[in-house]
Amino acid sequence: KQEVTQIPAALSVPEGENLVLNCSFTDSAIYNLQWFRQDPGKGLTSLLLIQSSQREQTSGRLNASLDKSSGRSTLYIAASQPGDSATYLCAVLGNSGGSNYKLTFGKGTLLTVNP
Amino acid sequence: DAGVIQSPRHEVTEMGQEVTLRCKPISGHNSLFWYRQTMMRGLELLIYFNNNVPIDDSGMPEDRFSAKMPNASFSTLKIQPSEPRDSAVYFCASSLGGTISYNEQFFGPGTRLTVL
Repeated sequence: KQEVTQIPAALSVPEGENLVLNCSFTDSAIYNLQWFRQDPGKGLTSLLLIQSSQREQTSGRLNASLDKSSGRSTLYIAASQPGDSATYLCAVLGNSGGSNYKLTFGKGTLLTVNP
Repeated sequence: DAGVIQSPRHEVTEMGQEVTLRCKPISGHNSLFWYRQTMMRGLELLIYFNNNVPIDDSGMPEDRFSAKMPNASFSTLKIQPSEPRDSAVYFCASSLGGTISYNEQFFGPGTRLTVL
């Protein structure tokens, strides 16, 4: 059974700092990995999707990497801003056991960027 | 595009009452997912539809939960009777279907359910 772990559970940084959020998964048989952002009381917004054959994806100040063999992904946020404050969720799309549509989520990292 | 639409956004009900949550997926998307989010368990998949057909309902916690998708633009998740432990945020998501590895799921804003 796929398990996704995110470390740290919470992170507080001053504005302008570069930061890294970590995600690990137990089963490397994945199709892709997605990073989402969730604001309080809101739904999930997809930030980046990395295919299993890719090593990284970039969007603006965000860069996500994937090392499938070691079961790890990182989300790098450059020059953080207070508006980046949110919960960041990592999810993997599995390709084993026939459940190739099933996203397994970590419990998220709550990021607070202080002005 | 309006994105995935869910209603109601908030629902407060008493134990034993029937609750119906509604979802309209993004037009043209063939796959629809219902998730439940709690502090203890995080986000969990309840049921997955492809082309309006339920493919996997193994995540549905018990027989009190049922889901339907009568057409490509509408789905419901029903809880009857509701219990306090059903209190959670319920999300609907949709994706294009087709090539699995490129399927990005788009989430609705969720319905916050409180069962007293």
